[in-house]
Amino acid sequence: AQTVTQSQPEMSVQEAETVTLSCTYDTSENNYYLFWYKQPPSRQMILVIRQEAYKQQNATENRFSVNFQKAAKSFSLKISDSQLGDTAMYFCAFMGSGAGSYQLTFGKGTKLSVIP
Amino acid sequence: DTGVSQNPRHKITKRGQNVTFRCDPISEHNRLYWYRQTLGQGPEFLTYFQNEAQLEKSRLLSDRFSAERPKGSFSTLEIQRTEQGDSAMYLCASSPPLSYEQYFGPGTRLTVT
Repeated sequence: AQTVTQSQPEMSVQEAETVTLSCTYDTSENNYYLFWYKQPPSRQMILVIRQEAYKQQNATENRFSVNFQKAAKSFSLKISDSQLGDTAMYFCAFMGSGAGSYQLTFGKGTKLSVIP
Repeated sequence: DTGVSQNPRHKITKRGQNVTFRCDPISEHNRLYWYRQTLGQGPEFLTYFQNEAQLEKSRLLSDRFSAERPKGSFSTLEIQRTEQGDSAMYLCASSPPLSYEQYFGPGTRLTVT
């Protein structure tokens, strides 16, 4: 079974600064998908960024980028120019690519606070 | 384009009662998922449907839980004989065909007293 570990329960960053959230995972599969989801307080989960394991290039979405290290099974999220609206729980998630396997396995999350 | 909707948003029930939640996926999304999220944890997969067929169920889905998706549209999740351990946020998500991205609804928060 796959596992996802987020070792930082809480983090804080000053507005406009850069922060990196860590995620490691364990799998025996070679092809899979990785995601970062954001869950603002009392609001629904939003997909921030995704990465296909077969792609060597790290994904980027505006101020959000990932550092995907397949051999190390590491998938960190970098948020640049942090904004107050980035305050949220961030979840790293894994999805295998086996036939019919669409379930997401989530980490426990990192609570990010952006300080004005 | 409306998102995934879930009703009710909050439900308080007494132990032993049955509850039913509804999820309406984004239009034309053929896959629908249910997850459970307890305080301080990430969501845990419960089950998923492709159209009206329930294709995968987690071992977390005890025999007190049942999910349906008649006609491949909305889905319902029923919990029979609720227990205090069932208190959680129940999340629904949907995916369009040929996509692995899941779009989540706001969740139904269940409190069992």
